[in-house]
Amino acid sequence: AQSVTQPDIHITVSEGASLELRCNYSYGATPYLFWYVQSPGQGLQLLLKYFSGDTLVQGIKGFEAEFKRSQSSFNLRKPSVHWSDAAEYFCAVGGGFGNEKLTFGTGTRLTIIP
Amino acid sequence: DGGITQSPKYLFRKEGQNVTLSCEQNLNHDAMYWYRQDPGQGLRLIYYSQIVNDFQKGDIAEGYSVSREKKESFPLTVTSAQKNPTAFYLCASSSGQGYNQPQHFGDGTRLSIL
Repeated sequence: AQSVTQPDIHITVSEGASLELRCNYSYGATPYLFWYVQSPGQGLQLLLKYFSGDTLVQGIKGFEAEFKRSQSSFNLRKPSVHWSDAAEYFCAVGGGFGNEKLTFGTGTRLTIIP
Repeated sequence: DGGITQSPKYLFRKEGQNVTLSCEQNLNHDAMYWYRQDPGQGLRLIYYSQIVNDFQKGDIAEGYSVSREKKESFPLTVTSAQKNPTAFYLCASSSGQGYNQPQHFGDGTRLSIL
């Protein structure tokens, strides 16, 4: 069965500092990986996705993520965070054909301090 | 603009009562999903439907029911058999044309017990 682990429940970062959110997955074949962001009381918005090809993927709002098969990781990064980045971030893994379900991690809440 | 509309935003249920959450999409997507979100647990899949008149149970289907009579609509009924229904419910859709299509989310319905 596929699974996702986000080891950090809560991270606090100063505005302008760099950010890395960790995501580790378990899946028996080539995974399809996603990062979503959720503001309080809202739905989820897709930041970026990885299916194949270049292991460094660019997303919206200046985010990027790197797929490392050897480490089963798909960490999200941003070089300089803005106060508006404060939100909850979810990593998700999907399977191949016939397995369109996504499995989500438990999320990482990001707090930005001035 | 195309999107997913969930209603109502807030819903209260009395003991022994069934309640129905609405989800409508105008994205012409084939696949639709219902998730339950509890603090610290991420998103858990309740039901999903990949085509009209067909749906499958997700990981936590007990106490819930759905229907998919129209492509654009996927209502979720929380029955009296669901003993702990207080949660944030999210509806999502995807084009379903392949297993690598990202899911688009509505803004959610928060259900509470009176």
